[in-house]
Amino acid sequence: QKEVEQNSGPLSVPEGAIASLNCTYSDRGSQSFFWYRQYSGKSPELIMSIYSNGDKEDGRFTAQLNKASQYVSLLIRDSQPSDSATYLCAVKENNNDMRFGAGTRLTVKP
Amino acid sequence: DGGITQSPKYLFRKEGQNVTLSCEQNLNHDAMYWYRQDPGQGLRLIYYSQIVNDFQKGDIAEGYSVSREKKESFPLTVTSAQKNPTAFYLCASSSRDRALGELFFGEGSRLTVL
Repeated sequence: QKEVEQNSGPLSVPEGAIASLNCTYSDRGSQSFFWYRQYSGKSPELIMSIYSNGDKEDGRFTAQLNKASQYVSLLIRDSQPSDSATYLCAVKENNNDMRFGAGTRLTVKP
Repeated sequence: DGGITQSPKYLFRKEGQNVTLSCEQNLNHDAMYWYRQDPGQGLRLIYYSQIVNDFQKGDIAEGYSVSREKKESFPLTVTSAQKNPTAFYLCASSSRDRALGELFFGEGSRLTVL
């Protein structure tokens, strides 16, 4: 069974700190990796995508990918209370299926 | 504006009834998906379709059916055979380009069985 694993949390960080969210995946043939943010009762929204090893930065968000270790992470700098949400890691597998982790719930405390 | 429209947002069903959830997109995407989300859990794939008149089962297809008669539309029927249908249902679409493939989601439909 192919899997995408995330720590369920909750992860709690103070306002202004760096939040670090981690994800591992089992399908070595996966080529595309995504982070979605989901507020309670709402649908997921895409915040980052990454396709090659290394770091990709977009504003306060940095995605990191290590295909050899089958590991992808999301760093949120200068965390704000509005960042409090569940973050879903998604992996597009070689057969074009998109597989999601269970999500990490993040709380940013003022 | 381009996007994905799901309806209804909230739906109540009696046990033994079939219900159909609507999903329409005007993004000109070839691929469409249905996911189910239960409280505190991630998204599980029910069905997906890469092209009109073709669709494949996902991980939890039992008790569900779909059709893809038009590129823009991918309705999901929750049948009476689905034992535990109360959940949040999400429709999504994506470009067929494997190098991209971001999913864009509708606002979701919340189904409650009474």
